[in-house]
Amino acid sequence: KAGVTQTPRYLIKTRGQQVTLSCSPISGHRSVSWYQQTPGQGLQFLFEYFSETQRNKGNFPGRFSGRQFSNSRSEMNVSTLELGDSALYLCASSLRSSGNTIYFGEGSWLTVV
Amino acid sequence: KNEVEQSPQNLTAQEGEFITINCSYSVGISALHWLQQHPGGGIVSLFMLSSGKKKHGRLIATINIQEKHSSLHITASHPRDSAVYICAVDNNNDMRFGAGTRLTVKP
Repeated sequence: KAGVTQTPRYLIKTRGQQVTLSCSPISGHRSVSWYQQTPGQGLQFLFEYFSETQRNKGNFPGRFSGRQFSNSRSEMNVSTLELGDSALYLCASSLRSSGNTIYFGEGSWLTVV
Repeated sequence: KNEVEQSPQNLTAQEGEFITINCSYSVGISALHWLQQHPGGGIVSLFMLSSGKKKHGRLIATINIQEKHSSLHITASHPRDSAVYICAVDNNNDMRFGAGTRLTVKP
């Protein structure tokens, strides 16, 4: 069974640009969540989707957005990139929302210059 | 005060030692997760707990809901256990993370 797949793995963007990251969950998983990890702030919750609906959102500005498609694949977008957005962005999937084992992808390393 | 507190921040042990990492939280939770992160970024879920105790190989995780406290134990530690261990609380789809415990096990 394939794990959680994130693309791209590494990318470099310039301040002011936007970026879209993709996440394919484990087959049959309907919940996809996104996280940001930085050396200073650690792991922080961005948002969680279940059956194409955003169920919860962390404390991030509106520049961070996401969506989930009918096949459970998810994308997150960051607009007007800032240097501080440089981070490892992790996606995780689980069978259902809340109270289930979560499976993480390898992450997308974003560098903003 | 952070909602999820882990201790210690850093831990160095000799191979074979018994290791304990602690996690205290201040929010209501539906579940608590223990995660392992190796250099390079990949995160693996070790345990998901809502009550009691779970064991997997040399790893044991316990949770006390009344005291809002969980512990991760590693018996007979090995250098391959060297990683960052992260406690995460699931508060109805809103995950909060501890800062992590960096464990180094020396041969």
